[in-house]
Amino acid sequence: DTEVTQTPKHLVMGMTNKKSLKCEQHMGHRAMYWYKQKAKKPPELMFVYSYEKLSINESVPSRFSPECPNSSLLNLHLHALQPEDSALYLCASSQGGGRGRETQYFGPGTRLLVL
Amino acid sequence: AQKVTQAQTEISVVEKEDVTLDCVYETRDTTYYLFWYKQPPSGELVFLIRRNSFDEQNEISGRYSWNFQKSTSSFNFTITASQVVDSAVYFCALSTPNNNDMRFGAGTRLTVKP
Repeated sequence: DTEVTQTPKHLVMGMTNKKSLKCEQHMGHRAMYWYKQKAKKPPELMFVYSYEKLSINESVPSRFSPECPNSSLLNLHLHALQPEDSALYLCASSQGGGRGRETQYFGPGTRLLVL
Repeated sequence: AQKVTQAQTEISVVEKEDVTLDCVYETRDTTYYLFWYKQPPSGELVFLIRRNSFDEQNEISGRYSWNFQKSTSSFNFTITASQVVDSAVYFCALSTPNNNDMRFGAGTRLTVKP
C-alpha cells in the first residue's frame, strides 16, 4: 500500500485567515515532504522532515509553518498568505531518512486559492 | 549542478498510436536515480518507475517501456498503443544519494484523443 492522504482537497482562504493542511501516511516511512506546484510547472520542494525533524527548509516564507507531530503525520500551517501562494500543495513520503536514493510517494494534493 | 530537460511541452496523439516522451538529464554525480511520474488532471503524482545509474537495463511494464542510455544521458519513456486514460502530464526527475532535492523536468503534457 503506497497511500498518502491529504486533507482538505480544496481550500479557499482570505489573506487574513489561518488554516492548516494535513498529510498522513501509514507506510512506516520516516521522511515526509511538502511541495508547492503552480499551474503548468513542476513541483518545487518546500520542506523535508527526516525522522520527525526538519532537515530542509528551501527558503520558504515564514507565513508557511510546517509541523511533524509524529512519524505518520505532517501539517502545513498557513497564515497571512498572499494571492500568489495559490497553488497545488503536495505531500510526499519516502521510506528512510529522506536521502535521494529513496522513491517518493505523493498524495493527491490540496488545491489552495487565496483571495 | 543537476538538470532535467523535457523538451516536449505538449504531445497530442490519437488512441492506439505509440508515443515516446523524451528526458535528458545532467549531473556530475556518478551515482544517481531517475524517475518518471504521471500527473493526471486530479493532481496526484503517480510513481511509475525508478532507475539507478548503475542499472542500464531497459524495462517493460505492460504498455509502458523505458529506455535508459547513459551514453546520451537520456531516459525516455514509450507508451505503446496509447489510450485516453494515458492523458496526463508526465514528469521525469533526477536525484542523487545525499540530496533530498529531487529535480523535476518541466513536464510533458500528453493528450490522447479517441
